[in-house]
Amino acid sequence: QQQVKQSPQSLIVQKGGISIINCAYENTAFDYFPWYQQFPGKGPALLIAIRPDVSEKKEGRFTISFNKSAKQFSLHIMDSQPGDSATYFCAASSKYNFNKFYFGSGTKLNVKP
Amino acid sequence: NAGVTQTPKFQVLKTGQSMTLQCAQDMNHEYMSWYRQDPGMGLRLIHYSVGAGITDQGEVPNGYNVSRSTTEDFPLRLLSAAPSQTSVYFCASGGEARGPQHFGDGTRLSIL
Repeated sequence: QQQVKQSPQSLIVQKGGISIINCAYENTAFDYFPWYQQFPGKGPALLIAIRPDVSEKKEGRFTISFNKSAKQFSLHIMDSQPGDSATYFCAASSKYNFNKFYFGSGTKLNVKP
Repeated sequence: NAGVTQTPKFQVLKTGQSMTLQCAQDMNHEYMSWYRQDPGMGLRLIHYSVGAGITDQGEVPNGYNVSRSTTEDFPLRLLSAAPSQTSVYFCASGGEARGPQHFGDGTRLSIL
């Protein structure tokens, strides 16, 4: 049973549009939520991360929105570019074992020129 | 700066063979981990280590062994390969709690 549920599985967005990827969890002990970006043939790389004490975190065109009561968080990519085409993973770790990360199933984003 | 280096990049094994996937990092990170990536499953944690001599199990540890004798190296051993272990394996390291994990470029393993 996947601890972090991610949707959609794939996403096609026009250049300049907004890409939105959603994740949900059940374990209330989760308190750290990173997002990773992966290009074909490469390992994932950290994009942005959030703790539940804030509802939003923005870095450039990338924003994480966090809803603690709903146990959901999402990644928004503003002004999406073809170079953003990649697979995105959300993840979570617990305050009781922050070395153990649980990843979502991934979203393959294709930004059309 | 090499970061996290995984070898080999590709490997084909027959069922029942054994092999060791190598992982080395040059960032003096205490935390290292192994994941497998399968279509539709994301990355699943196999084993992790918080320092030399300390290892623990992740979500899917069965069929895999690890040891950590040095800070730099964290090999993953398949003692008797099975077709269900066909996957892409990633090693990662991290230098601080809640900090970014740095991933290698993976080992693509096929077991026939």
